[in-house]
Amino acid sequence: EDQVTQSPEALRLQEGESSSLNCSYTVSGLRGLFWYRQDPGKGPEFLFTLYSAGEEKEKERLKATLTKKESFLHITAPKPEDSATYLCAVQSLQNAGNMLTFGGGTRLMVKP
Amino acid sequence: DSGVTQTPKHLITATGQRVTLRCSPRSGDLSVYWYQQSLDQGLQFLIQYYNGEERAKGNILERFSAQQFPDLHSELNLSSLELGDSALYFCASSARPGQGHTGELFFGEGSRLTVL
Repeated sequence: EDQVTQSPEALRLQEGESSSLNCSYTVSGLRGLFWYRQDPGKGPEFLFTLYSAGEEKEKERLKATLTKKESFLHITAPKPEDSATYLCAVQSLQNAGNMLTFGGGTRLMVKP
Repeated sequence: DSGVTQTPKHLITATGQRVTLRCSPRSGDLSVYWYQQSLDQGLQFLIQYYNGEERAKGNILERFSAQQFPDLHSELNLSSLELGDSALYFCASSARPGQGHTGELFFGEGSRLTVL
């Protein structure tokens, strides 16, 4: 069974204080690892897809990296508008469909 | 705007009742997925349809059912509702991986169901 564990559950940062979010996963053949951002009461918004160990993707202040067991979402010099819940999900080669298995998320709060 | 449309946005009903949630996928997407998000469970996969046929099933209760119509919109039917069914229900759609698509799902804004 595919499993995704995210840590920490919640993270408070001061504006400009860089940090990383962790996503540990077990999956029967990784098709892709996905990062999403979710604002309160809204649907998850797609950020990145990573396919193989060593791959990195960047978007503004966010950078996602992937190893064979975990992924990190690095946030450089965050701003208050980066406050949201960040979700990690895996897509397995073994599943008939292309559904995503999500972790519990990390709730990020950036104070000005 | 993801291009996925869900209605209604909010729904309040009583235990034992039945409700229908509706989803229109992004233009051209053939796959529709339903997820449930509650405070203590996170995002849980319920069911997937591809071009009108059930493709994969997750932790969907027998009281719940779904279908995808020829115009590709989908409906999730929830019956004999219980207090514990109160949650956000998300619909997502995707293009088929390959041909420039990378497999990501695009989510709607969700339908918030409150069962009293």
